[in-house]
Amino acid sequence: ETGVTQSPTHLIKTRGQQVTLRCSSQSGHNTVSWYQQALGQGPQFIFQYYREEENGRGNFPPRFSGLQFPNYSSELNVNALELDDSALYLCASSLGTGEYEAFFGQGTRLTVV
Amino acid sequence: GESVGLHLPTLSVQEGDNSIINCAYSNSASDYFIWYKQESGKGPQFIIDIRSNMDKRQGQRVTVLLNKTVKHLSLQIAATQPGDSAVYFCAENINNAGNMLTFGGGTRLMVKP
Repeated sequence: ETGVTQSPTHLIKTRGQQVTLRCSSQSGHNTVSWYQQALGQGPQFIFQYYREEENGRGNFPPRFSGLQFPNYSSELNVNALELDDSALYLCASSLGTGEYEAFFGQGTRLTVV
Repeated sequence: GESVGLHLPTLSVQEGDNSIINCAYSNSASDYFIWYKQESGKGPQFIIDIRSNMDKRQGQRVTVLLNKTVKHLSLQIAATQPGDSAVYFCAENINNAGNMLTFGGGTRLMVKP
């Protein structure tokens, strides 16, 4: 186990709704990254938070947003859900933004119907 | 558990044989590369990393080779075991930015007893 926990593990939402996914990072880790993994593909980088500030962003629209809290836990919010948002959402925490090992949680499986 | 990599390239090896998994990366400016293992129902797990100033790095039963000339990365697993069965991803850092990663498409390794 990596010490990174995500909730919920599974979620079903209707197109157009909003969803919030949560991540508790490993103790001592101040950096959290979020990835989207479609079935049969590798994870795609959404964004990274470092000490409560967005530190970098991938090619995702603004309806994907995030937060990092003072305890370094994090949320991923997705508005106006689309069917293509159905995927496994992975959170990874690390000691910093440099070439530190990223520890992944088990993911949240989101299904949009 | 989760089904990861339903339509990925598959490498099937006999238990005890050596496995070689290959990956072509996209960005010639990337300076940090990582191999991850993902088992069904779990997030990616770090295996080994290598920086661009090296062409080989060894771990326990694993070796990563980097050929920057042709932008190719390989993972060699010695004496493959049934517990090595998983999907393997290579990843490179995005815009030389630490641990914000671009993942490859993945290869499923199946170990026959």
